[in-house]
Amino acid sequence: EAQVTQNPRYLITVTGKKLTVTCSQNMNHEYMSWYRQDPGLGLRQIYYSMNVEVTDKGDVPEGYKVSRKEKRNFPLILESPSPNQTSLYFCASSFGGRGELFFGEGSRLTVL
Amino acid sequence: AQSVTQLGSHVSVSEGALVLLRCNYSSSVPPYLFWYVQYPNQGLQLLLKYTSAATLVKGINGFEAEFKKSETSFHLTKPSAHMSDAAEYFCAVSDLDGGATNKLIFGTGTLLAVQP
Repeated sequence: EAQVTQNPRYLITVTGKKLTVTCSQNMNHEYMSWYRQDPGLGLRQIYYSMNVEVTDKGDVPEGYKVSRKEKRNFPLILESPSPNQTSLYFCASSFGGRGELFFGEGSRLTVL
Repeated sequence: AQSVTQLGSHVSVSEGALVLLRCNYSSSVPPYLFWYVQYPNQGLQLLLKYTSAATLVKGINGFEAEFKKSETSFHLTKPSAHMSDAAEYFCAVSDLDGGATNKLIFGTGTLLAVQP
């Protein structure tokens, strides 16, 4: 089954404790992206990757890092989480060229 | 730069009534437009997309949307609401200005409630 898989789905952590949210897709998509969803703000792009070893900032990259060492994986790293990073995070992927985005089921992160 | 405005953060309809969710866009180039649906505790699922072919686009679950260039609108409709349509709906435009051809600019969402 074609899918985008994120882990963990739910996480409560404390300020400053490094964490990684993993994302994996099995559709051989070149493009992958991370969004955060906050009430009243919709979805905002954090980082994206056009292909392996090619990543770039989205609209709200502060406090986040990403890497793309393999085509299928695109982890989101919070080096020192802060409470304003409490949010619902979505990973998405697609083929190149204005294609449809396929979304994971989301990771709800709470930073205390 | 592209942008999307969804009018009405909450819409409530009766079961069997017409569903109309409004979306207006701003784009300096011919847009690709999308409607996504998010059911509780799930990711976003594509309902339909406009990619410069037919202006009336049919999607899944009986939804459709009409691209109106003169009004810069892409409203989502369904003739008869079902209880299972209760969800949050997002309109999105494909961003070309930034160079990342797969970036979507999302509206703030409309939460649809269906009353029995």
